[in-house]
Amino acid sequence: DVKVTQSSRYLVKRTGEKVFLECVQDMDHENMFWYRQDPGLGLRLIYFSYDVKMKEKGDIPEGYSVSREKKERFSLILESASTNQTSMYLCASSATSANEQFFGPGTRLTVL
Amino acid sequence: QKEVEQNSGPLSVPEGAIASLNCTYSDRVSQSFFWYRQYSGKSPELIMSIYSNGDKEDGRFTAQLNKASQYVSLLIRDSQPSDSATYLCAVKTGYIPTFGRGTSLIVHP
Repeated sequence: DVKVTQSSRYLVKRTGEKVFLECVQDMDHENMFWYRQDPGLGLRLIYFSYDVKMKEKGDIPEGYSVSREKKERFSLILESASTNQTSMYLCASSATSANEQFFGPGTRLTVL
Repeated sequence: QKEVEQNSGPLSVPEGAIASLNCTYSDRVSQSFFWYRQYSGKSPELIMSIYSNGDKEDGRFTAQLNKASQYVSLLIRDSQPSDSATYLCAVKTGYIPTFGRGTSLIVHP
């Protein structure tokens, strides 16, 4: 079974803090993705990576950065957290461009 | 702009009935189609994938794809209260899937 894990299920941070969200997959997938999900807005793609050290902006990259130093790990960084970044953050991975995505359990981030 | 449209619902069906969930998409060259189930507060879980026209069955679930009409549907037979969730349709061309906003399904006893 594909397993995608995320470092925290719940996280509370203060405005202005630097926040790291970690995602690890154990199936040697090439592609990894970060989404946020908000009520009424659906899933929105923040960044994705199709190879180690490669990254591409998604639909809403502003205020975020990513790092992929190893194939199995994809990190999302909030350089200076703001209250409008309070959301559910979902990591996903897929084997190839055609294949389905598998999601991690999500991190519910609250920025106070 | 690629679009995937789903009726937000809620779709309410009695236990034991067939639930029919529909999805339309705008990009004619889309090649991969997926249905995910998402329980409240949880992450999406893959139910079905379908790549060619026609029906694909897996247990109580049947996915139907019609590329000419640009729609994909999910049928859930013998619906159970545990099927109550939001169902997301995803359509993929290349690396990035486009997700619909989901249809809320309620199966009442």
